[in-house]
Amino acid sequence: NAGVTQTPKFRILKIGQSMTLQCTQDMNHNYMYWYRQDPGMGLKLIYYSVGAGITDKGEVPNGYNVSRSTTEDFPLRLELAAPSQTSVYFCASRGPGAPTDTQYFGPGTRLTVL
Amino acid sequence: AQSVTQLGSHVSVSEGALVLLRCNYSSSVPPYLFWYVQYPNQGLQLLLKYTSAATLVKGINGFEAEFKKSETSFHLTKPSAHMSDAAEYFCAVTSDPTGNQFYFGTGTSLTVIP
Repeated sequence: NAGVTQTPKFRILKIGQSMTLQCTQDMNHNYMYWYRQDPGMGLKLIYYSVGAGITDKGEVPNGYNVSRSTTEDFPLRLELAAPSQTSVYFCASRGPGAPTDTQYFGPGTRLTVL
Repeated sequence: AQSVTQLGSHVSVSEGALVLLRCNYSSSVPPYLFWYVQYPNQGLQLLLKYTSAATLVKGINGFEAEFKKSETSFHLTKPSAHMSDAAEYFCAVTSDPTGNQFYFGTGTSLTVIP
């Protein structure tokens, strides 16, 4: 199993550009999450999904969009990139068991907006 | 509202010495608490979790943590530090029965001195 994979690993965007961060998991997990990690800060939840076709906002959703058309994929879309979106983005997934079941994290995408 | 406070953004210990990383939480309802470790350029990995069973929780790599309700703490310890323990450590809390809304601390960077 590859677990949770994210692409790209690194990306530099200009202000106003758009991009999609890809996340795929091969564990057949229902729950998937997008977090951002700013320097010196903990992770903050952007969006999450409890299954295909179902998504909900987390703590910091502004400036982002998500979709979940399949169990495996949970892409994160930035429409108009801003310098405040410079961060490391982590995708995670969790199985259908107890709410405290382990979240499995991808290696992250480091995004810089200039 | 929930929050996590990690005292000490940087901790240095000598190899073989006790590791103590502090975490205090705020939650209006009984929480679930977690410790994650992040090695450079990697995603987070679960070290251990408290789910209202035993208050002393043992995790991987010799780490353990004790839930103390009276002190609202969940400090992470390891009796003897190893060079491979050098990493960033995050405490996280959720009281969300769905397990989807996590709140992370700002992290503690552990340096192990040979």
